[in-house]
Parts: sequence; structure tokens; C-alpha cells
Amino acid sequence: DQQVKQNSPSLSVQEGRISILNCDYTNSMFDYFLWYKKYPAEGPTFLISISSIKDKNEDGRFTVFLNKSAKHLSLHIVPSQPGDSAVYFCAASDLQTGANNLFFGTGTRLTVIP
Amino acid sequence: KAGVTQTPRYLIKTRGQQVTLSCSPISGHRSVSWYQQTPGQGLQFLFEYFSETQRNKGNFPGRFSGRQFSNSRSEMNVSTLELGDSALYLCASSESGQLYNEQFFGPGTRLTVL
Repeated sequence: DQQVKQNSPSLSVQEGRISILNCDYTNSMFDYFLWYKKYPAEGPTFLISISSIKDKNEDGRFTVFLNKSAKHLSLHIVPSQPGDSAVYFCAASDLQTGANNLFFGTGTRLTVIP
Repeated sequence: KAGVTQTPRYLIKTRGQQVTLSCSPISGHRSVSWYQQTPGQGLQFLFEYFSETQRNKGNFPGRFSGRQFSNSRSEMNVSTLELGDSALYLCASSESGQLYNEQFFGPGTRLTVL
């Protein structure tokens, strides 16, 4: 049972435009959410996170939005750059289950077209 | 600081065999988590070790086991391999895992079961 879902397996965006990656979750106990980026032949790299007590967190070109009532989060990348082309995973966890027990989505492959 | 290292990077085994994978965390990190990545299921949590003790476990059969040594290095063992065990096995380390510390992933071990 996939508790974290990324329904778009791929996304293509023009360089300079906004990339929006979406993620839905089913477990209302999740209280911490993360985005990871993965290049081929490398492990996932942490990008940005958000606690359930917030609804937005920004870090440079990356912003994560959390809508708890809809059990939905999104990652905005503005402006998108060719180097952003990678697979993006959203992940969630809750302290009760274990802070390091991350539930991952299946990933969205972002392609930024120069 | 050196990153998380995993050995071997690639492995080919046949059904029924057993395999041991190794993970060396970042120096000073005491928590090591293991994940299985397959195309259909994405990344799934296997287990977490902290101070040589298994602190958390995912929904995998008992054929999957692990251990952690006093220097925080961890090994994962899969016995009686099945074709479905073919996957990328990732380990991640974090400082303590008490709260939401960032997890740093290694490059993974690609296991192919024939």
C-alpha cells in the first residue's frame, strides 16, 4: 500500500520556467516531509523539507508547499535550470514510526529543456 | 568529510544464494538505514540501525537481515535470494536519528538475481 504517491512519472519544462512537482499522501500521522533529488548512478540527495506545523518552506529556487487538509505537497523550482533534470522523490515520516523510516513516492523524472 | 560508501557497487547472484552488502556511514553518524529501490515500488524502507541495535523495521520478510558494528558500519544480508530481490539497495546515514536529521544516501549496490 503506497502511502506516498507521485502520480506524474515525468515532467518536461522549458529552462527559466517554473517546475511544479506534486505529491499526495494518505497517512495523517505523517508530520515531516522531504524532497530528494536523484541523478543516475548516485544516491538520492536531500533537497528541502517541511514540518507539518508549516505550510511553506523556501530555500533559494526551491519552495515546498504543504496542504495538510488535502494531504498534498508540492515542490516549486523557479527558475528551472537544465542541471535540475533528475528524478525527484517526495518522502514522509512520523516520529512515532521512526524519524528515519522514510516513506517514499515512486518519483517524478524532471527534464528541463534548454 | 567522506560520504556514505557502499560495497560492492554491483553484484550478480543466482536464486537460492545469499548475499551480504556493506555500508560505511559518514564519520560521526550513528544511524544507518537501508532501503530497497525497484522500478515498480520506488524506495522502500528495510530497517534502521542505531548504536548496534535495530531500532526500526519495515515490512520485509525475515530473509532480509542486518547488523551494525561498533564503528557504525552496517551490513545487510539477504538469504535464499529470489528473482524479485533484484533491486538497488541504498543505505543512508544520519547523526542520531532522534529527530529529523538529514539522511545522506550512498550510491547504492545494484543486485541482480538470475
